[in-house]
Amino acid sequence: GQNIDQPTEMTATEGAIVQINCTYQTSGFNGLFWYQQHAGEAPTFLSYNVLDGLEEKGRFSSFLSRSKGYSYLLLKELQMKDSASYLCAALDSNYQLIWGAGTKLIIKP
Amino acid sequence: ETGVTQTPRHLVMGMTNKKSLKCEQHLGHNAMYWYKQSAKKPLELMFVYSLEERVENNSVPSRFSPECPNSSHLFLHLHTLQPEDSALYLCASSQVRDWDYNEQFFGPGTRLTVL
Repeated sequence: GQNIDQPTEMTATEGAIVQINCTYQTSGFNGLFWYQQHAGEAPTFLSYNVLDGLEEKGRFSSFLSRSKGYSYLLLKELQMKDSASYLCAALDSNYQLIWGAGTKLIIKP
Repeated sequence: ETGVTQTPRHLVMGMTNKKSLKCEQHLGHNAMYWYKQSAKKPLELMFVYSLEERVENNSVPSRFSPECPNSSHLFLHLHTLQPEDSALYLCASSQVRDWDYNEQFFGPGTRLTVL
């Protein structure tokens, strides 16, 4: 079956760095998405990786290893507003998104 | 209005009621989606419409009935729901091209409570 695994909850300190991991098993693979979802709000797009390596976008970076079925989202210089759920989703061979349950990130002062 | 809008934002209904959720996208996209989001569970894809034709059903119970009158509007008609249907219902849109995929843009969701 198809599956996405990511931690349920993580806690980090303001100003620090946190890495949210995601592993995936899908029928074929056409890329991996990360979305951010604040409580009570819509998920918003953060990144898309289809090739191996690290993509940096300001304070956020996303990494992909296709051979390991693994991705991570790296958040630097954490701010209180980064408290949210982070959703990992893999695109399978039919271009269907397979979603993880999300990682709730709690930022403490 | 910009992006993807959904109405109502909150809905409480009894098991015998009939109601409809509305979604509108202002992005010129050609595909629209309904998702169900329950606490601590992955997003569940319910329906996909591409070029106004339904392309995915995912074995959703018949008490949920989608309607896509044009590429900008999507409805989810609800009738005789069960308490376990209480969840956040998210609408999304994207621009889909052959052998390519763009990110989905989500609306704020409708928080549905079935009593």
